[in-house]
Amino acid sequence: DAGVTQSPTHLIKTRGQQVTLRCSPISGHKSVSWYQQVLGQGPQFIFQYYEKEERGRGNFPDRFSARQFPNYSSELNVNALLLGDSALYLCASSPRPRGQTDTQYFGPGTRLTVL
Amino acid sequence: AQSVTQLDSHVSVSEGTPVLLRCNYSSSYSPSLFWYVQHPNKGLQLLLKYTSAATLVKGINGFEAEFKKSETSFHLTKPSAHMSDAAEYFCVVTVEYGNKLVFGAGTILRVKS
Repeated sequence: DAGVTQSPTHLIKTRGQQVTLRCSPISGHKSVSWYQQVLGQGPQFIFQYYEKEERGRGNFPDRFSARQFPNYSSELNVNALLLGDSALYLCASSPRPRGQTDTQYFGPGTRLTVL
Repeated sequence: AQSVTQLDSHVSVSEGTPVLLRCNYSSSYSPSLFWYVQHPNKGLQLLLKYTSAATLVKGINGFEAEFKKSETSFHLTKPSAHMSDAAEYFCVVTVEYGNKLVFGAGTILRVKS
């Protein structure tokens, strides 16, 4: 079975630009979460979506937004890019957003570099 | 608030010797705890998870972890390290009934031949 897929793999942008990252969850998974991993740190939670609704938001500015589509895929958008947005952006899927037995499965990530 | 502290940023072992990666957690309710591994330029792979069933949890590739509530610890162990185990390991706790994961800072495991 295909795992979580993300596109693009790598991306280079300049300050002030906007970027869109894409994620396709594992088949049958309805929840998608986004994480930011800055070099040398653990991932930080950005958003969780389930059934096209936002179910959780981390401590990120409003420049970060996301949405989920009817097929459960998701996009993460970042506006007015800053140098500090350079990071590995990870997408994770799970069957549903709640329930302690649910495991989140991660994609390979999108490496964003802001110059 | 829920959090995890990984007590070592780097651990170095020789191939064939035991591995111990330490993690302490803080949680206001019964937590779910995970260990994930990240190889260079790769995504995160689940090693094992604790969800209030057995306190000793066995994972993939010979890893296991023991949940100790009295010590608020969830240390990861492996009897014999292999070169392929060299990677970064993250201890993770769930919050809000699995709504999001909170990651530790990570422990980089080096395996010497």
